[in-house]
Amino acid sequence: NAGVTQTPKFQVLKTGQSMTLQCAQDMNHEYMSWYRQDPGMGLRLIHYSVGAGITDQGEVPNGYNVSRSTTEDFPLRLLSAAPSQTSVYFCASRLSGTVNSPLHFGNGTRLTVT
Amino acid sequence: SQQGEEDPQALSIQEGENATMNCSYKTSINNLQWYRQNSGRGLVHLILIRSNEREKHSGRLRVTLDTSKKSSSLLITASRAADTASYFCATDGAQGAQKLVFGQGTRLTINP
Repeated sequence: NAGVTQTPKFQVLKTGQSMTLQCAQDMNHEYMSWYRQDPGMGLRLIHYSVGAGITDQGEVPNGYNVSRSTTEDFPLRLLSAAPSQTSVYFCASRLSGTVNSPLHFGNGTRLTVT
Repeated sequence: SQQGEEDPQALSIQEGENATMNCSYKTSINNLQWYRQNSGRGLVHLILIRSNEREKHSGRLRVTLDTSKKSSSLLITASRAADTASYFCATDGAQGAQKLVFGQGTRLTINP
């Protein structure tokens, strides 16, 4: 059981480049989300989805796009990378039907924007 | 935005000692969760405590919740080197269950 898989593990971009961070889960979880983790800031929610075709903004959505065409996948797109987007990005999923189900995290993508 | 704040930011103890971390939050919640993060890895769920619960145990973990003070504590008893990690509390609440908000974490180091 793979759980939540994130690719790539590491990425270096130049300012203005675009890229997509991939996230896939094999647990049939309806809820998926993206967080970024910065030193001293904890984790901040970027976008989330409660099911295929449904997405919504979190605390820090600017500069990021998401879509949810399947239950399994929830890619995060950076359209024009900025140095402020240098961070570690985590994808997480859980069952959507109850507020008490825990989040399952991937191992993260470490992104550096120069 | 509502945020859990952990205290202390860093804690270093000897193996075998108990470790206590605290979390404070700002608004009413439905539940509070604790997660562990080993270096270079994603977060792993440890325990969830509901707003109508005051204490919960799981193995060497003990979590308390005081909703009147808007605070929670995580106690790890008989610590081991493998407990070295960062620990985060996470809360839902006014912003909705879909937006789990994490604190900044406590970095715990267990010295052999």
